[in-house]
Amino acid sequence: DGGITQSPKYLFRKEGQNVTLSCEQNLNHDAMYWYRQDPGQGLRLIYYSQIVNDFQKGDIAEGYSVSREKKESFPLTVTSAQKNPTAFYLCASRNWDSSEQYFGPGTRLTVT
Amino acid sequence: SQQGEEDPQALSIQEGENATMNCSYKTSINNLQWYRQNSGRGLVHLILIRSNEREKHSGRLRVTLDTSKKSSSLLITASRAADTASYFCATGGYQKVTFGTGTKLQVIP
Repeated sequence: DGGITQSPKYLFRKEGQNVTLSCEQNLNHDAMYWYRQDPGQGLRLIYYSQIVNDFQKGDIAEGYSVSREKKESFPLTVTSAQKNPTAFYLCASRNWDSSEQYFGPGTRLTVT
Repeated sequence: SQQGEEDPQALSIQEGENATMNCSYKTSINNLQWYRQNSGRGLVHLILIRSNEREKHSGRLRVTLDTSKKSSSLLITASRAADTASYFCATGGYQKVTFGTGTKLQVIP
């Protein structure tokens, strides 16, 4: 079955620690995205990548970092510089010739 | 900032009724998409309407687009309890898509 996986589903960290969220896809999609969703809000774009070894900042990239060393993988690191990291994080991918995005199940990060 | 704004923010209807939600956006678009999100889950793509289309159907879904008013509507006919979810419109090109704030729909059995 093709799809996007995100792990873990729930993640708890202490303030001041960096944490990496995993996103893997086997859809052979070129583009991948990270979004943040706060309660009752829409999605805000953190980073996106069109091809391997290339990525661009989204609207709220401060305090986050990404890498795209493999087509299938686009991990997101939430650094200690992110002031309000507690949120629901969604990863998505898209084929090169389509606007439709496919989403993973999300990771809920809680930082205390 | 959000490109799309959905209206209403929340909607509660009885099973079997129709549900209509609206999306307004600010800049010109190539296409507009609608997505659905069940509580605590990822988004699922529902339908895409291109800027040169005025109406599109998919099963119980009907989407309209009025580019002169920069608005779109999503109609769900004969709603079911399983339609309870948040619905988002999204605009943008291939590279970046901007999502609206969503309409939370509750369908009461």
